[in-house]
Amino acid sequence: GESVGLHLPTLSVQEGDNSIINCAYSNSASDYFIWYKQESGKGPQFIIDIRSNMDKRQGQRVTVLLNKTVKHLSLQIAATQPGDSAVYFCAEINSSGGYNKLIFGAGTRLAVHP
Amino acid sequence: NAGVTQTPKFRVLKTGQSMTLLCAQDMNHEYMYWYRQDPGMGLRLIHYSVGEGTTAKGEVPDGYNVSRLKKQNFLLGLESAAPSQTSVYFCASSQAGVNEQFFGPGTRLTVL
Repeated sequence: GESVGLHLPTLSVQEGDNSIINCAYSNSASDYFIWYKQESGKGPQFIIDIRSNMDKRQGQRVTVLLNKTVKHLSLQIAATQPGDSAVYFCAEINSSGGYNKLIFGAGTRLAVHP
Repeated sequence: NAGVTQTPKFRVLKTGQSMTLLCAQDMNHEYMYWYRQDPGMGLRLIHYSVGEGTTAKGEVPDGYNVSRLKKQNFLLGLESAAPSQTSVYFCASSQAGVNEQFFGPGTRLTVL
């Protein structure tokens, strides 16, 4: 069946270091993969997406890498800041049902220490 | 732009009571969604709508009903609340064919 999961439930980093959050997925037919950030008491916020035919995509301070061979997705955050502290979800999009079905993983908590 | 708003923010129900959660968006989005988020888990889709007057079941639809009478509003109803429906409920909206979904702040529901 379809599933999206995460390797690490929590990640602690020092301010200024780079962070890498990992995610495994099982559905090879997914069209896109997305990273969301959820701060405490708020709804998820879109960070970046990557199409399934791409290996890498860069945004502002973030890079997403997709390795389809091992079905692995990662989010790299450069120069991590206290404001980056949140739970990060990977999600996959499957549009086979006629709309963009979003399947979320369980989330990784990123804690940034000064 | 207020984006996506949800009312109420918190609610406590007794088993068997009914209630309606309201979601509103001012971005003229075609698609709207209702998710639930349980501790330690990602969001799971309850119902969604691809346009005014249309709704469809998501991953966990049992015990919920929805209506999309106006494009900007998406209502989630619980006819007979159960403790298993204790959760945080998020509404989202998106443009048709666009990946980015915009989420509301959530409604924390407790069923005793």
